[in-house]
Amino acid sequence: EAGVVQSPRYKIIEKKQPVAFWCNPISGHNTLYWYLQNLGQGPELLIRYENEEAVDDSQLPKDRFSAERLKGVDSTLKIQPAELGDSAVYLCASSPGSLDTQYFGPGTRLTVL
Amino acid sequence: ELKVEQNPLFLSMQEGKNYTIYCNYSTTSDRLYWYRQDPGKSLESLFVLLSNGAVKQEGRLMASLDTKARLSTLHITAAVHDLSATYFCAVVSTGNQFYFGTGTSLTVIP
Repeated sequence: EAGVVQSPRYKIIEKKQPVAFWCNPISGHNTLYWYLQNLGQGPELLIRYENEEAVDDSQLPKDRFSAERLKGVDSTLKIQPAELGDSAVYLCASSPGSLDTQYFGPGTRLTVL
Repeated sequence: ELKVEQNPLFLSMQEGKNYTIYCNYSTTSDRLYWYRQDPGKSLESLFVLLSNGAVKQEGRLMASLDTKARLSTLHITAAVHDLSATYFCAVVSTGNQFYFGTGTSLTVIP
């Protein structure tokens, strides 16, 4: 069974530039999560989807971050414009349902210069 | 906001020794997860604890949950080098929000 796929794995951009991350969850998983992980810390939830509906986006900085999950499968997380403080690893995870074990992708390491 | 604290944050232990990692959380939850993260890698699920008194064991790792004390433990028995990693606990609050702990970085030395 294929795991959670994320791309790109690494991204280096200059501040004020836009950036987008893509996630393909495990087939059949209805719940999809985007997390931010800073070095030496645990993941922090940005947004959770149940199918195509964003059911928890309370921690998403909506002035610059946006996300979508078209057709309830793949998802894209966008930052525009990026700031220096956005440098982190962005993790995507999926699970069959909202309380089930989450399966994480390899993450995208973002560096904002 | 639910707070999840782990201790110790850093742990260096010799091979063959036993040790326990603690995970405390601030509000009621009856579901707790343990994950492992190797350097530069993503998180891998270890255990799901679904009720008070739940105990799960896999190899040299054993996890338990005490919902009344709001405490979970991850016990390591006869540590080996392959267990070196960062261990996270995660708690689910009302509204199905996940909160991860600060992580415990474990190094097992020969």
